[in-house]
Amino acid sequence: SQTIHQWPATLVQPVGSPLSLECTVEGTSNPNLYWYRQAAGRGLQLLFYSVGIGQISSEVPQNLSASRPQDRQFILSSKKLLLSDSGFYLCAWSVLFRGYGYTFGSGTRLTVV
Amino acid sequence: GENVEQHPSTLSVQEGDSAVIKCTYSDSASNYFPWYKQELGKRPQLIIDIRSNVGEKKDQRIAVTLNKTAKHFSLHITETQPEDSAVYFCAASKGNQFYFGTGTSLTVIP
Repeated sequence: SQTIHQWPATLVQPVGSPLSLECTVEGTSNPNLYWYRQAAGRGLQLLFYSVGIGQISSEVPQNLSASRPQDRQFILSSKKLLLSDSGFYLCAWSVLFRGYGYTFGSGTRLTVV
Repeated sequence: GENVEQHPSTLSVQEGDSAVIKCTYSDSASNYFPWYKQELGKRPQLIIDIRSNVGEKKDQRIAVTLNKTAKHFSLHITETQPEDSAVYFCAASKGNQFYFGTGTSLTVIP
């Protein structure tokens, strides 16, 4: 069966520090991968999505970047965090044409102090 | 791109009553409509979905209806229970991207 792993679960980082969040999927090949951010009490904001290795589409220009070095690995990064980067970050995968919707990872709660 | 609107933003119902959440979408090419439930501090989880070739789908106390002509779809929860309290998100998709509504915070009062 397919599983998605996301880490770390919580993170407290100072302003200006770098960020690296990792997401991996098991049990499937060539998934579509997504990074979402959810501010407190707000909806889901799509940050990046990828349909294949090295293919990254950005939905919202900001100081974050994403990379997909392997088929089932998706990384969210920042060189210098801002206070506004605080939030709940969710990785998700889908293989839409096989009838699946999104499956979300367990999320990373990032607090920038 | 697609624009998904969701109403209401908050909803309180008495235990045992029904709850209805409505979403509209703008792109007539969207053909897949999932609903997600997110409990506090947890990940959103898929609870039901419907494709554009189907008008209604039911799974126990949860049902979803789709009106392609009007471009709206709804989530119906019957015989609500306290454990149904959560934030519910609708979404619309026609390919690789999912466009989410802004969420409905449902509270079921015991």
